[in-house]
Amino acid sequence: GAVVSQHPSRVICKSGTSVKIECRSLDFQATTMFWYRQFPKQSLMLMATSNEGSKATYEQGVEKDKFLINHASLTLSTLTVTSAHPEDSSFYICSAIPGTGGYEQYFGPGTRLTVT
Amino acid sequence: QKEVEQNSGPLSVPEGAIASLNCTYSDRGSQSFFWYRQYSGKSPELIMFIYSNGDKEDGRFTAQLNKASQYVSLLIRDSQPSDSATYLCAGGSNDYKLSFGAGTTVTVRA
Repeated sequence: GAVVSQHPSRVICKSGTSVKIECRSLDFQATTMFWYRQFPKQSLMLMATSNEGSKATYEQGVEKDKFLINHASLTLSTLTVTSAHPEDSSFYICSAIPGTGGYEQYFGPGTRLTVT
Repeated sequence: QKEVEQNSGPLSVPEGAIASLNCTYSDRGSQSFFWYRQYSGKSPELIMFIYSNGDKEDGRFTAQLNKASQYVSLLIRDSQPSDSATYLCAGGSNDYKLSFGAGTTVTVRA
C-alpha cells in the first residue's frame, strides 16, 4: 500500500514554456500532498503543501505564480512550472500522507525537469 | 527555524558490519521522526518511523529516539552492499511538514 506515482518521470522543455507534473496516490486518498525540489547533492526542499479543495500554501521564497499547484481530487495534485527557465531545472518530488492517522509521508518517484 | 542535523559522513562500513547513523533536532515540538533511504537519482523511500522514546526494530533496522536529548539514530545490522545509499533523517510537526537533514551517504564495502 501507500503507492504514489508521478508523471512524467523526465521532461525536457524550452525556456519560456510551461510544464505540468502530476502526482497521484494510487491506493489511498490523500487530503494533503507536498511538493519538494531537490538540487544535485542537496537535501529535499519543501516548496508547498497541497490541500484538496483549497489553495496551496507555499514556503517562504517560493513564487506561487510561478509554481501553480492544483489539488483537484483526493488522489491527484498537479504542479505547473510556468515560464520555465534553466534555473528551474531540478528533481521535483511529491509526497502524500495516507489518512490512517499517522504522519508518514510516501514519496512519488520524482520528475526530472531540464529546461534548455 | 526547525533544524535537523545529521552526522556528515560519508560512512563506509564492511559488509556484515553495523552502520550507525545519528541525527539531532532543535525543535522540541517535533513529535515524529523518519528515516528515508535515497538511492542516487531516485526519490526517498521510507524505511523507519518512530514516535515514542526508545527503540523500534524492523528487520535489520533499529531506530532509537531520545526526546530529552533531541536525538534520533538508525542502526543497520548485517550491512549489505544494497544498503549503500544516502540516508535522510526527518522530523515532523503537527502540520505534517517534514524538516530534512542533509543526509549521510553510506557505502557498504563487499
